[in-house]
Amino acid sequence: GAGVSQTPSNKVTEKGKYVELRCDPISGHTALYWYRQSLGQGPEFLIYFQGTGAADDSGLPNDRFFAVRPEGSVSTLKIQRTERGDSAVYLCASSLLTSWGEQFFGPGTRLTVL
Amino acid sequence: EDKVVQSPLSLVVHEGDTVTLNCSYEVTNFRSLLWYKQEKKAPTFLFMLTSSGIEKKSGRLSSILDKKELFSILNITATQTGDSAVYLCAVIIQGAQKLVFGQGTRLTINP
Repeated sequence: GAGVSQTPSNKVTEKGKYVELRCDPISGHTALYWYRQSLGQGPEFLIYFQGTGAADDSGLPNDRFFAVRPEGSVSTLKIQRTERGDSAVYLCASSLLTSWGEQFFGPGTRLTVL
Repeated sequence: EDKVVQSPLSLVVHEGDTVTLNCSYEVTNFRSLLWYKQEKKAPTFLFMLTSSGIEKKSGRLSSILDKKELFSILNITATQTGDSAVYLCAVIIQGAQKLVFGQGTRLTINP
């Protein structure tokens, strides 16, 4: 595709529910990243995939958060037992593995937990 | 803990003014510094700086890195209303792929 796409663009859920957020990276990009951006803050790193495997998941805040990338392309970020503090914009980015730093971002999913 | 700090947090100027945005960092093992522009949701890449003292330029935007004093500046000359956005600074650390972001500078250009 032309760029990174994310679905849904907005998600409203109730406290305690399970949500899945999807990211389609740029075709051919082997590296994929998830970030979380709270209002008025810069994005915070959650997890990085190199191919199918999570190469760095040090940013996941707790075990309610999990992400997969089973075929090395599309990734899904899963949040169990959502809490109001999970409300944020979840950004996905992708890059060529050899491109240190130039990550291309998607438009994000705005998650609101009521 | 790796830290990136941007200043000012917010800036309002008139069209045609020149602005300078600041980014300082304290990280364990610096590799590169990047600037992004965020208008709605998706940050868009502006510059990546790896070497000290070499200015990167794109139209009215330019940026430079000082690795001795651990900071970078982003300059925008002859500002236009379309420059209104949040400008994010981020650092990549050696051996890691993740970006460590500052909190951003919200720039507003009034006509």
